[in-house]
Amino acid sequence: AQSVTQLGSHVSVSEGALVLLRCNYSSSVPPYLFWYVQYPNQGLQLLLKYTSAATLVKGINGFEAEFKKSETSFHLTKPSAHMSDAAEYFCAVSSPSGGYQKVTFGTGTKLQVIP
Amino acid sequence: DSGVTQTPKHLITATGQRVTLRCSPRSGDLSVYWYQQSLDQGLQFLIQYYNGEERAKGNILERFSAQQFPDLHSELNLSSLELGDSALYFCASSTRQSTDTQYFGPGTRLTVL
Repeated sequence: AQSVTQLGSHVSVSEGALVLLRCNYSSSVPPYLFWYVQYPNQGLQLLLKYTSAATLVKGINGFEAEFKKSETSFHLTKPSAHMSDAAEYFCAVSSPSGGYQKVTFGTGTKLQVIP
Repeated sequence: DSGVTQTPKHLITATGQRVTLRCSPRSGDLSVYWYQQSLDQGLQFLIQYYNGEERAKGNILERFSAQQFPDLHSELNLSSLELGDSALYFCASSTRQSTDTQYFGPGTRLTVL
């Protein structure tokens, strides 16, 4: 069975500081991994996606994530936080299960950016 | 704009009632997913349809059912509603399967009084 763990339901950073949102996954086979962002009163939108090509994945809005198989992690980073980054971030894993691809979302991390 | 539409945007109803939420996927997408998002449970996957057939089931209650029609739009039916069913219900679509990017609709906010 696959699972996703997001460490820290709330993270606060100062504007201009490094953003690090943690995601660890569990999957019996090489997974597809995603980070989605949800702004207030909106649906989720894709930030970036890992599909077993490059281990360092670059996404929109300056975010990137590195796939580390040995650590089963897919942490999301951004060098310098902007006020507009305040949102909730979801990590998700997709891998084969029972003959089809199953996707599992993490519980989300709310990012607060302090001016 | 993701290209996924959901109606209605807001729905207020009473306990014991039945409601239907509607979703139109992006043009060309064959898979539709339904999610429930609440403060206490977070984002919960409910069910996935692919080209009219049920593909995967998550934490969907027996009081809830869904279907995907030949024109690929989907409906989520919620019956015998309880206060705890109050939540945001999202629909998402993808080209084929869940390794593909999911595009989320704006959601339907259901309030059960």
